Amino acid sequence: LAKTTQPISMDSYEGQEVNITCSHNNIATNDYITWYQQFPSQGPRFIIQGYKTKVTNEVASLFIPADRKSSTLSLPRVSLSDTAVYYCLVGDEVWDGNKLVFGAGTILRVKS
Amino acid sequence: GAGVSQSPSNKVTEKGKDVELRCDPISGHTALYWYRQSLGQGLEFLIYFQGNSAPDKSGLPSDRFSAERTGGSVSTLTIQRTQQEDSAVYLCASSLRAGSGNTIYFGEGSWLTVV
Repeated sequence: LAKTTQPISMDSYEGQEVNITCSHNNIATNDYITWYQQFPSQGPRFIIQGYKTKVTNEVASLFIPADRKSSTLSLPRVSLSDTAVYYCLVGDEVWDGNKLVFGAGTILRVKS
Repeated sequence: GAGVSQSPSNKVTEKGKDVELRCDPISGHTALYWYRQSLGQGLEFLIYFQGNSAPDKSGLPSDRFSAERTGGSVSTLTIQRTQQEDSAVYLCASSLRAGSGNTIYFGEGSWLTVV
C-alpha cells in the first residue's frame, strides 16, 4: 500500500499561488496520483489526477517528477473559497479491486 | 442519477437502536465504497463492492456493521445496536470500475448522531 505524506496545514493569502507537495515513496508502477478537495460538511470532490509529468485543468495543475515519488498540487491565485482540506491519494490494487486510503490531508487556510 | 445519492442526510438515533443508511451510486458505476468520517478527523475506509460482492471488508469496525449491495446498484450500510462512538458522517462513493486510475465520486454523506 502506497503511503502518502503531506503537510498538516498551510496558510496563504488571496491571490497567491499555493503548492502542496505529497510524498509517496512506495508508489507502484500502476498507481495513479489523485487529489481531492473537501469543504466542511461535504464529501470530498475530485480535483485532478495524473500518472507522470504535468497535468493541468481549469482548477489546478499537478506536477509529477520522473521518479514519481512525490507530486505537487498547484492552485493558482487562491481565493477565500479555496479554504478546504486537500487529500493526496495513491491507488493500490488489491486483488481485482481498489482500496483508496485517505491520509490526514492538508488543511489550507486562505486569508484576506 | 447525476451524482451519488445518500439517505437519510441526517439521522439521530438512540443508543442501542439499529440504523440503515442507503447509497444510490452513479448509474453504470460498478464499484461502490463506504467511508466514515468523525468530526474533525480524516476519512476511514469501511468496505467496497465490485458489483454485488465485497472483496474487502477489512475496514468494518466491528461485527455490528454490515453492508450489502443488490442488483449491482443500491447499497445499504447497517449498524446494529448503535453506540455513541458510531456518531459520524458516513460517506458513500462510486466509480466506473475499481482499480487505480478510476475517479471515485462521493455523495454528500449521511450524518449519524447516536444519543
